[in-house]
Amino acid sequence: GNSVTQMEGPVTLSEEAFLTINCTYTATGYPSLFWYVQYPGEGLQLLLKATKADDKGSNKGFEATYRKETTSFHLEKGSVQVSDSAVYFCALSAGANNLFFGTGTRLTVIP
Amino acid sequence: DTAVSQTPKYLVTQMGNDKSIKCEQNLGHDTMYWYKQDSKKFLKIMFSYNNKELIINETVPNRFSPKSPDKAHLNLHINSLELGDSAVYFCASSPDASSYNEQFFGPGTRLTVL
Repeated sequence: GNSVTQMEGPVTLSEEAFLTINCTYTATGYPSLFWYVQYPGEGLQLLLKATKADDKGSNKGFEATYRKETTSFHLEKGSVQVSDSAVYFCALSAGANNLFFGTGTRLTVIP
Repeated sequence: DTAVSQTPKYLVTQMGNDKSIKCEQNLGHDTMYWYKQDSKKFLKIMFSYNNKELIINETVPNRFSPKSPDKAHLNLHINSLELGDSAVYFCASSPDASSYNEQFFGPGTRLTVL
């Protein structure tokens, strides 16, 4: 079956620190992989995606590489800002575009 | 110029009542979805419609009935509300049902059942 395992939170970092949020997946077939972000009181919005092995998705300084050999799609950012505080969701889609989400990781960045 | 809108934003009701949540998208997308987010922030697909036809129906009690009058709308009707139905419900849409497409989410409807 399809599933996503995501690093448990919460994560608290100081501004300008390096961020990694781990995500691994199990899927039948060849899934597309996504990171969505949810800011307080809002719906989810796409942060980045990768649709095939070795693709790197990037946006707003965040990046993640689709690693088929390790079934991973870890999210990284070199220098976080207070405005990055949010809940981050790793997700996969295979077949009919049915998103399977990880449990979400709450990130708090302190000045 | 909202892309995916939901009404109401908040819904507080008594157990046993029937309620509806409306969703509209102005993106011209063919596919729409309903997700449920529980108190621990876990998100799970409930339904998916493509061109007004049901394509995904996860294990959801039959008290929940989606209705798609046209491609731009997917409403969710819930009968005989239970305490466990309290959650945030998100509507989403995508250009079609291809797995590589981004989904666009609405702002959510927070349902509280007392």
